[in-house]
Amino acid sequence: EAGVTQFPSHSVIEKGQTVTLRCDPISGHDNLYWYRRVMGKEIKFLLHFVKESKQDESGMPNNRFLAERTGGTYSTLKVQPAELEDSGVYFCASSQDPRHRTAIGSYGYTFGSGTRLTVV
Amino acid sequence: KQEVTQIPAALSVPEGENLVLNCSFTDSAIYNLQWFRQDPGKGLTSLLLIQSSQREQTSGRLNASLDKSSGRSTLYIAASQPGDSATYLCAVINAGNMLTFGGGTRLMVKP
Repeated sequence: EAGVTQFPSHSVIEKGQTVTLRCDPISGHDNLYWYRRVMGKEIKFLLHFVKESKQDESGMPNNRFLAERTGGTYSTLKVQPAELEDSGVYFCASSQDPRHRTAIGSYGYTFGSGTRLTVV
Repeated sequence: KQEVTQIPAALSVPEGENLVLNCSFTDSAIYNLQWFRQDPGKGLTSLLLIQSSQREQTSGRLNASLDKSSGRSTLYIAASQPGDSATYLCAVINAGNMLTFGGGTRLMVKP
């Protein structure tokens, strides 16, 4: 099966501009998550969709970040306007079973390769 | 608030050595714990998942243990190879279904 796909892989924008990141989860996965890693820090949770609904957005840093998942398929994460501190790697993950009950060899979370965002 | 710590932050070993990566977490009420591998410029690859009721999981040369009461997990890599060079991340899931990650251990295995 196809994995989690993120686009673009890299983005360099100027401070104040807008950037939209896209994530295509594994087909049939109702759960979609956004995480990010800023320089020198741990990977941090941003938000969680169940189908098209936001289940938990407690990790969103501020209102410059807007995530959508229309139709419960792919998701977008828009940063508007971008600030220098938004630079980092943004990861998307999807999961079929929200409780991640998996047998050996079958793992709950599948991550994409990430989008490296650089704000200059 | 859950906090996950990984020690050491970086490790360099000669090929063939057995090694142990450590992970500790502050809130023992976890649902499960996962070890991931990240190669430069790549996404996260899940290595092992340990349910809260389990003590360890094994996959090939990898063995992960979990001591929930003490808030610790270890990842044991046997007979290390240069291809094992990567960043290893430990993450726990609490009731909220979100992963809380440690800072990772950067492993370099020298030929």
